[in-house]
Amino acid sequence: SSELTQDPAVSVALGQTAKITCQGDSLRTYSATWYQQKPGQAPILVIYSKNNRPSGIPDRFSGSSSGNTASLTITGAQAEDEADYYCNSRDSSGNFWVFGGGTKLTVL
Amino acid sequence: QVQLVQSGAEVKMPGASVKISCKASGYRFTSNYMHWVRQAPGQGLEWMGIINPRGDDTHYAQKFQGRLTMTRDTSTSTDYMELSSLTSEDTAVYYCARDNSMRSSWWFDPWGQGTLVIVSS
Repeated sequence: SSELTQDPAVSVALGQTAKITCQGDSLRTYSATWYQQKPGQAPILVIYSKNNRPSGIPDRFSGSSSGNTASLTITGAQAEDEADYYCNSRDSSGNFWVFGGGTKLTVL
Repeated sequence: QVQLVQSGAEVKMPGASVKISCKASGYRFTSNYMHWVRQAPGQGLEWMGIINPRGDDTHYAQKFQGRLTMTRDTSTSTDYMELSSLTSEDTAVYYCARDNSMRSSWWFDPWGQGTLVIVSS
């Protein structure tokens, strides 16, 4: 079982806002990182260090956190944003890393 | 550009071992840790372990203790991940991913293209 909990699926209408959450005790201490994975591809980084975007990631992607919950928000979701999204952080001991179970985002 | 290129797909018998390579380029290899992550078919990402920049310290997830070995060859900028006593549950795509850190934040970027390992008799 994962120490980080994500909803298995989220759907959003084209152009609307999608919010994907990640819960875990370790998030009170360590920031979450978010990855996007499309079928048959390796994951790519979309948000790191709370709310930083790597170059090439559109500014419609943003991150936030409060208490034991981290969130990935996609403002104005596009068809190409349909993918699996995974959160990641250190575990509660701080010695290892752990991924959330992943959220499948569907853009309607 | 920073790139991680992994070795090709493998098919192994149950009980065998597999060794996957991950060759880095485009950055100073000895400046970063490296993680290994796997993904079983239709499943999520699973963190396996990490090796330090000099290659003399490793940390493995509890479930892989005793059958996972990560090594590093700094002369060729290549990391290796060896998993032994394979079972069908080890069938997965295995990824290497470079560690990055800043002010108590860590992230994996870039990722290798993945190596499919199939364990079947």
